[in-house]
Parts: sequence; C-alpha cells; structure tokens
Amino acid sequence: SQTIHQWPATLVQPVGSPLSLECTVEGTSNPNLYWYRQAAGRGLQLLFYSVGIGQISSEVPQNLSASRPQDRQFILSSKKLLLSDSGFYLCAWSVQVRVGGYTFGSGTRLTVV
Amino acid sequence: TQLLEQSPQFLSIQEGENLTVYCNSSSVFSSLQWYRQEPGEGPVLLVTVVTGGEVKKLKRLTFQFGDARKDSSLHITAAQPGDTGLYLCAGSNAGNNRKLIWGLGTSLAVNP
Repeated sequence: SQTIHQWPATLVQPVGSPLSLECTVEGTSNPNLYWYRQAAGRGLQLLFYSVGIGQISSEVPQNLSASRPQDRQFILSSKKLLLSDSGFYLCAWSVQVRVGGYTFGSGTRLTVV
Repeated sequence: TQLLEQSPQFLSIQEGENLTVYCNSSSVFSSLQWYRQEPGEGPVLLVTVVTGGEVKKLKRLTFQFGDARKDSSLHITAAQPGDTGLYLCAGSNAGNNRKLIWGLGTSLAVNP
C-alpha cells in the first residue's frame, strides 16, 4: 500500500534561519508531488508541484524553493525564513488527480519567531 | 479564474441533527472531490464525483454533483461528534490532470 511520510510534525524557527522539510512516498512510482500551505485551518495554497525528478513548478513567488532529488522524495526549503512563512505545510502525492485525488501527509506546523 | 465557494463557513450543531454544506462555482469541473480534515492532520479524501447528477453515499454522508457539474453538496444524516472537522471541496479542470481548485472549507462542530 502507498504511504506518505512528512517530517517534522512541528517546528519553531527564528526569523532569518534556514528551513528544510522533507516528504517521502512509498508504494508508488513516478507520482506527482505537491507542497501546500494552509493558513489558519482554512483553504489550501499550492506552493510547488513536481511531475518527475528535477522538475519543479512554482505556483506562488515567495521565499521558498522545492527540490525533487529522487523519484519519491520532495523537499521544501528556504534560505532565510520570514515571519510570514509561518503556517501548516502539507505534502501530497497523486497519480491521476481527477479521479484519485490527493493523498496528504500529516503536515508540519511551522512557527517563525 | 476558477473559484469554488463553500457555505456555510462555520456550522455548529447538536449530535443527531442533519446538515447540508455546499460547494458552488460558476465554472464547470470535470470532477469534484470532498475531503475531511481533522485538526493537526492532512485532509483525507472522502469521495470523487465525476458525472453530472451523480449521487454517492458513504454511510451517513451523501454527496451530490450538480447536473451542470458546477456545484456539489454534502449531506450528513444524524451527525455524530466524530464528524467534526473541516470539509473541503476541490474541483478538477478537464485541461489539467495534476492540480485541483480548492474551496476554503466548511468548519463543522458536532456537539455531544
């Protein structure tokens, strides 16, 4: 069965510090991978998605970047965090989003102080 | 720009009551999905509807896709505290099989 792992679950970082969130998927090959941010328990904002190794599409210009060094690994990074980067970050995978939808990880709560 | 509007934004009811939440758009979607999210967790897919007029049932939850594929509803019968959570709808555009358009969600609280 397919599983998705995302860590850490919570993170408190000072302004200006770097960030690295990691997500790995098991049990599937060549998935589409996504990073979302959710503010205040409401709607989801797509940050990045990837359809293959090294292929990254950015949806929103911001202080973040993403990389996909392996087929089932997706990393969200920042060189210098801003207060506005605080939020709930979700990794997800899909094969055919129209019928299969997304499978989400359990999320990372990031607080920038 | 395609948008999905969900209503109501917040709903607080007593255990045993019935409720309906809505997901509306002026755009046509090739499919529409409903997710439930509990605090501190990622959303979990409940159902996908793909055909106009389609009705799907999942225990006490009934999902309907509008005939014109522009809207959907979720009806819960005899709500239970375990139904508490954020209900999100998301639509798929026929021209893009990679991304979904998301509503802002309905936050449901079922009180014992």
